[in-house]
Amino acid sequence: NAGVTQTPKFQVLKTGQSMTLQCAQDMNHNSMYWYRQDPGMGLRLIYYSASEGTTDKGEVPNGYNVSRLNKREFSLRLESAAPSQTSVYFCASSVLQSSGANVLTFGAGSRLTVL
Amino acid sequence: RKEVEQDPGPFNVPEGATVAFNCTYSNSASQSFFWYRQDCRKEPKLLMSVYSSGNEDGRFTAQLNRASQYISLLIRDSKLSDSATYLCVVDNYNTDKLIFGTGTRLQVFP
Repeated sequence: NAGVTQTPKFQVLKTGQSMTLQCAQDMNHNSMYWYRQDPGMGLRLIYYSASEGTTDKGEVPNGYNVSRLNKREFSLRLESAAPSQTSVYFCASSVLQSSGANVLTFGAGSRLTVL
Repeated sequence: RKEVEQDPGPFNVPEGATVAFNCTYSNSASQSFFWYRQDCRKEPKLLMSVYSSGNEDGRFTAQLNRASQYISLLIRDSKLSDSATYLCVVDNYNTDKLIFGTGTRLQVFP
């Protein structure tokens, strides 16, 4: 039971290049998320998907696109990378507790540097 | 005002000490509250949910004060392994999203 797996762990891009971050979960969770984490900013939501076939923008969606390929997989694409997208990216999935609260399980993170 | 605010620290405490962190939130309609722990260069992991009546898990106690809109985390008998960043997380009742604080760094020294 791997939980949430994201790839790659590290990536260096040049400005203008494109890339896709992959994320898969094996916990049968409906909801999946992409966050970015920057020093002093905390985790900020980029996009989320409440269920297969649906996606919605979060707090900082500009410059990103997502695809919820199936229930397990949720990918994040940078079409034209910019230095401002240098960050650590976390994928997460969630399960609704009996209390009604969403509990997140995170992947190990992907460190992206854009030169 | 930020939606979730935490003192960034660092809090430097000796082993065995008791340390407490507070976190304030702005949305009075928020219903769900959590503390996550994040080790250096690792992913956040759920430490504990925070319930209205307060809850305890071993050396960790979490409390919610709705009137003053803050949650707290108390760590008793600190261990070296408690050194980490502690993230306060609150739901945005209006959007059903979770809002993360920037974290409070704890360093426990021998």
